[in-house]
Amino acid sequence: EAGVVQSPRYKIIEKKQPVAFWCNPISGHNTLYWYRQNLGQGPELLIRYENEEAVDDSQLPKDRFSAERLKGVDSTLKIQPAELGDSAVYLCASSLDWGLEETQYFGPGTRLLVL
Amino acid sequence: SQQGEEDPQALSIQEGENATMNCSYKTSINNLQWYRQNSGRGLVHLILIRSNEREKHSGRLRVTLDTSKKSSSLLITASRAADTASYFCATNTGFQKLVFGTGTRLLVSP
Repeated sequence: EAGVVQSPRYKIIEKKQPVAFWCNPISGHNTLYWYRQNLGQGPELLIRYENEEAVDDSQLPKDRFSAERLKGVDSTLKIQPAELGDSAVYLCASSLDWGLEETQYFGPGTRLLVL
Repeated sequence: SQQGEEDPQALSIQEGENATMNCSYKTSINNLQWYRQNSGRGLVHLILIRSNEREKHSGRLRVTLDTSKKSSSLLITASRAADTASYFCATNTGFQKLVFGTGTRLLVSP
C-alpha cells in the first residue's frame, strides 16, 4: 500500500515569491492534516480536513497561507508571499477517520528554504 | 504552540543499552502517542497509551503514563543502531488534534 505522497521534496525560493506544496493521502483516508515543523521542534498543526471540509484551521496564518482539498482526496498548501520565517519542513498526514485513537500516517515532508 | 517538553533533548548510548526518554505536558489528555522520525523521513507512529492506562508494551518499547504528574516515559530496550532517530511525544486533547513535544534525539552507536 502506498503511503502519503508529497511533492516537491525540496524547494528553495526567494522571499516574496509564492510556493505550493502537494499531498496525496493514503487511499480511503478521510482526514488530512498539514503540519509545519521548524528546525529542532516538533510538528505543529496548520489545518485539518475532514473530507473536503477544513474543520480546524486555527493555526493557519490566513494572511499568506491557503489550503484546499478538492474532492476530498489530494490537497494543496500555498504560501503567498513567502517570508524568511516560513523556512521549515511542511508535513502532510492522513488518517482513516477522525476518532481519538486513529493513527496518523505522515508523508516525508517538503523542506522549504526561503532566501 | 508545543504542548510540552521532552527530556533529555539528546541522548547517546551504545548498542544493547536501554534508552529512556521523558515527556511532560500541560493539559488534560485523552491519550498520548509516541512517534519516531528518522533523518529525512516522515514521522512513524510507535505506540498509543490512553489516559486511563499506566503502562503499555510493544516489542522492545515500554511506555508509562502518570496523569497526576502529566508525564510519560518511553523505554527502548536492547537498543540497535537502527533506533537512531528523533522521538516525539504527542498528546491528543480531543478530536484528533495532536500536539507534539520538542523531541529527543537518540544516537545509538555500534
